[in-house]
Amino acid sequence: DAGITQSPRHKVTETGTPVTLRCHQTENHRYMYWYRQDPGHGLRLIHYSYGVKDTDKGEVSDGYSVSRSKTEDFLLTLESATSSQTSVYFCAISGPGRRNTEAFFGQGTRLTVV
Amino acid sequence: GQQLNQSPQSMFIQEGEDVSMNCTSSSIFNTWLWYKQDPGEGPVLLIALYKAGELTSNGRLTAQFGITRKDSFLNISASIPSDVGIYFCAGLSNFRGGSNYKLTFGKGTLLTVNP
Repeated sequence: DAGITQSPRHKVTETGTPVTLRCHQTENHRYMYWYRQDPGHGLRLIHYSYGVKDTDKGEVSDGYSVSRSKTEDFLLTLESATSSQTSVYFCAISGPGRRNTEAFFGQGTRLTVV
Repeated sequence: GQQLNQSPQSMFIQEGEDVSMNCTSSSIFNTWLWYKQDPGEGPVLLIALYKAGELTSNGRLTAQFGITRKDSFLNISASIPSDVGIYFCAGLSNFRGGSNYKLTFGKGTLLTVNP
């Protein structure tokens, strides 16, 4: 299994509070992604990173920010959580060469905003 | 933005039957990937396709990269109860005209296998 760890695995937070989710990898892969998964929508890309300090927006980036200060960590921050951000969040990584197209996923973080 | 249309949305089949699902897009992709997700878990890569026309098998699974690079299908033969789950297609494309990539996912096919 790819070395990807998401933390926390579960979180309940109140509307309006900031929340940070962490994705940590031990594979030294270049690309890292944050997705959210909701019924009827599948996996939607929030933000992605193609290197340290290099990030870009995905299709549902509003209300989210990311940071990648080192290769192994990709942080997703909800500046002021809203109920619409209740979801399951997945981090994914992909690496060098031809296999940089093969993304591997963490186990997910279930976030509930009340 | 790029979108992948995955169909069917759900399937309910009997054990032993063959299954087929596909993804189409108006955009061209460099690579097609197929994933399976079990409840409470992250998606797991099943098959990766790198060239237009490529046909690849992984056990009872077979997938093909469409000639136009805008579609792909996944077949599962002789289904068994553990095939239950959500299957996702994903397409890889360049962005900013460079060597950086991003993945776009279909909405998934929920497969139920009746023993």
